[in-house]
Amino acid sequence: EADIYQTPRYLVIGTGKKITLECSQTMGHDKMYWYQQDPGMELHLIHYSYGVNSTEKGDLSSESTVSRIRTEHFPLTLESARPSHTSQYLCASSEFGGTTNEKLFFGSGTQLSVL
Amino acid sequence: AQRVTQPEKLLSVFKGAPVELKCNYSYSGSPELFWYVQYSRQRLQLLLRHISRESIKGFTADLNKGETSFHLKKPFAQEEDSAMYYCALRRPGGYQKVTFGTGTKLQVIP
Repeated sequence: EADIYQTPRYLVIGTGKKITLECSQTMGHDKMYWYQQDPGMELHLIHYSYGVNSTEKGDLSSESTVSRIRTEHFPLTLESARPSHTSQYLCASSEFGGTTNEKLFFGSGTQLSVL
Repeated sequence: AQRVTQPEKLLSVFKGAPVELKCNYSYSGSPELFWYVQYSRQRLQLLLRHISRESIKGFTADLNKGETSFHLKKPFAQEEDSAMYYCALRRPGGYQKVTFGTGTKLQVIP
């Protein structure tokens, strides 16, 4: 079934560890996004991509990095996690091609807790 | 820069009462505007988009370019409408990102 998947669903990790949050979609979408969201709070765009080998920084400065080597895969990496990185991370995808009326499809999110 | 403002963090209404969730934007052109909703323990999902002029689950939203607003309305609130609502904006064209507002939590009181 075409969908967007995020793993892990929950992650508790110690300070200084390197982590990678996975995001994959099977909908054939070109555009992918990473948003950071605290519970019941606003969404902050941290990274986005228009397609393979395309990555852009979003509105909120983030110490994380992303890569887009394959269309379906858009992982987010933190080289050295800190408690300030504790948050929910949402991945989304949409069709591209100069389309208007863009509809985003969201994953279930990864809740990251850094101790 | 594009910006979306939702002035209310929390809106509480009684069941059957009208609902209006406010959204204002800053963009000089003709934006694409959306409302997304996140129910408890569910994914964020698209509710409606202004270009479609649709009514979804009884909700409608009208774009007012003069006031740069895109308020979400429903004449009679239901308990199942309780959720987090986000207004979003996108500039027209292909290479554009989607920016979200701060969100409003709607609480419908039985």
